[in-house]
Amino acid sequence: AQTVTQSQPEMSVQEAETVTLSCTYDTSESDYYLFWYKQPPSRQMILVIRQEAYKQQNATENRFSVNFQKAAKSFSLKISDSQLGDAAMYFCAYGTGGFKTIFGAGTRLFVKA
Amino acid sequence: DTGVSQDPRHKITKRGQNVTFRCDPISEHNRLYWYRQTLGQGPEFLTYFQNEAQLEKSRLLSDRFSAERPKGSFSTLEIQRTEQGDSAMYLCASSHRDRAGNTIYFGEGSWLTVV
Repeated sequence: AQTVTQSQPEMSVQEAETVTLSCTYDTSESDYYLFWYKQPPSRQMILVIRQEAYKQQNATENRFSVNFQKAAKSFSLKISDSQLGDAAMYFCAYGTGGFKTIFGAGTRLFVKA
Repeated sequence: DTGVSQDPRHKITKRGQNVTFRCDPISEHNRLYWYRQTLGQGPEFLTYFQNEAQLEKSRLLSDRFSAERPKGSFSTLEIQRTEQGDSAMYLCASSHRDRAGNTIYFGEGSWLTVV
């Protein structure tokens, strides 16, 4: 069965600095998608970034980028120039394009002014 | 694109009462999901519809839970004879099967407190 593991329950970063959130997953599939979602204190889950497993190039969205290591089954999220508004729970998720998306337990990110 | 909307946002109910949540998905999305989330945890899959057909239910969904999606548009999630363990955030999400790896988009959630 597919699993998603986020080993960092909490992380902290100084405003304007860079932070990396870790995620590993387990799957026997070769074609799949990986996602990072952000859930601010208001609780709506927002898609941050998406990576297709067949693409070697790491996805980027403005200050957010990923380091996708397919062989290691690792999918980390790097947030550059951290802002106070980045404070939230971040969830790593896995999907095959089928109906089920599996989420990790989340990492709570604190941003210090 | 108006996003996924859920109603009510908050519900407090006494143990043993029935509650119903409504979800309106993004209009062109053919898939609709219900997830449950407790504090400090990631969303857990409950059930999924493709159009009006309920195609998958998690073992988490006991007989007290029922979900419908008449006409493949909005969906309702009903919990009968609520228990304190049902207290959680109930998240609705939608997706289009053929787009962007079936990326799912969430509503703001319905927070249930059973007292």
